Amino acid sequence: GAGVSQTPSNKVTEKGKYVELRCDPISGHTALYWYRQSLGQGPEFLIYFQGTGAADDSGLPNDRFFAVRPEGSVSTLKIQRTERGDSAVYLCASSLLAGVGEQYFGPGTRLTVT
Amino acid sequence: TQLLEQSPQFLSIQEGENLTVYCNSSSVFSSLQWYRQEPGEGPVLLVTVVTGGEVKKLKRLTFQFGDARKDSSLHITAAQPGDTGLYLCAGVGRTNAGKSTFGDGTTLTVKP
Repeated sequence: GAGVSQTPSNKVTEKGKYVELRCDPISGHTALYWYRQSLGQGPEFLIYFQGTGAADDSGLPNDRFFAVRPEGSVSTLKIQRTERGDSAVYLCASSLLAGVGEQYFGPGTRLTVT
Repeated sequence: TQLLEQSPQFLSIQEGENLTVYCNSSSVFSSLQWYRQEPGEGPVLLVTVVTGGEVKKLKRLTFQFGDARKDSSLHITAAQPGDTGLYLCAGVGRTNAGKSTFGDGTTLTVKP
């Protein structure tokens, strides 16, 4: 079956621009997670959704970052006024229920801010 | 803040050797997971350990959860080049099962 997909796979943007990163979870998975992974580091938790609601957004670095999941399936991570420090791989994962069962990760979106 | 420290950061060995990598924290976790990640891909779950002192085996991989549920180890017997990758541990907090904290990983290279 289809796994978690993320688009685009690569995104290059200029400092100050707005970007949207998309995540398509596994069908039927009610929980969706966003992580950020910088070079040489492990994934850093950003936010997770149970259904349509953000159950925990404590990992979002500041108010330039926002994520939505309006219909409880696809999610979009939105970054305003991008900074060079936002450059990283943004990973999305989904699971059947939050905290229950395995998290399946997508391949990530590599964001480069120039 | 719950932090997970993994050691060593890098490990390069010859095919057939044994190795152990470690994941340590000052915090107690409800469970701890080990993942393997290859370049350009997301992490893939290898195992979840839940009970203090638990030992799980997955072919040549042996995972152990410390008695106090603060640390874990991964032992690989007779390593093969296909074991090459980034090994990550992640802890699940006791009060928020949806939030995982990852260590920075051990990059393992197994030379043929």
